[in-house]
Amino acid sequence: SQKIEQNSEALNIQEGKTATLTCNYTNYSPAYLQWYRQDPGRGPVFLLLIRENEKEKRKERLKVTFDTTLKQSLFHITASQPADSATYLCALGSNQAGTALIFGKGTTLSVSS
Amino acid sequence: DGGITQSPKYLFRKEGQNVTLSCEQNLNHDAMYWYRQDPGQGLRLIYYSQIVNDFQKGDIAEGYSVSREKKESFPLTVTSAQKNPTAFYLCASSISLDRSTDTQYFGPGTRLTVL
Repeated sequence: SQKIEQNSEALNIQEGKTATLTCNYTNYSPAYLQWYRQDPGRGPVFLLLIRENEKEKRKERLKVTFDTTLKQSLFHITASQPADSATYLCALGSNQAGTALIFGKGTTLSVSS
Repeated sequence: DGGITQSPKYLFRKEGQNVTLSCEQNLNHDAMYWYRQDPGQGLRLIYYSQIVNDFQKGDIAEGYSVSREKKESFPLTVTSAQKNPTAFYLCASSISLDRSTDTQYFGPGTRLTVL
């Protein structure tokens, strides 16, 4: 069955460092991958989408890579700030009609000042 | 002010009672979704709907029911058949289920507690 794993449940880093979150998947060939941010007690918010034919996407301090050979996506936050502390979810999408996104469990990032 | 709303934010239910969670969107999106989130778990899909009067079961549909009579509304009923209903419920919408536009917009969630 399809499986999506995010590298760890929690990641703690110091302010100013680069946070790197990992999303691995098996038994699946996604057409694209999305990353969302979720704050406690709130709904997730979309951050970035990367397609299978794209290697890298950037948005301000965020960078996402997608390696279909390794079946892995890396999500980087450069110059991290305490306000970046949240849970980050990756989600896989398929081109198959009528197929909804598959979400990972998320990684909770804590940035300390 | 466009967006997706869920009500109530907190809901308490006695065992054996059915309860309906509201979800409304004014984004003119065709597709709507219901997810359940438990501590340490990812989002698990309950039901989704691509168009009005049509919906499909997700991974954990047992004990739940939905309707989609209007494009803007996708209420979820948690029935007494759901054995462990205490959870955080999230509603989402997207323009369509076309793969290239499947960014989801989430509501603020409803936290359901069974007493």
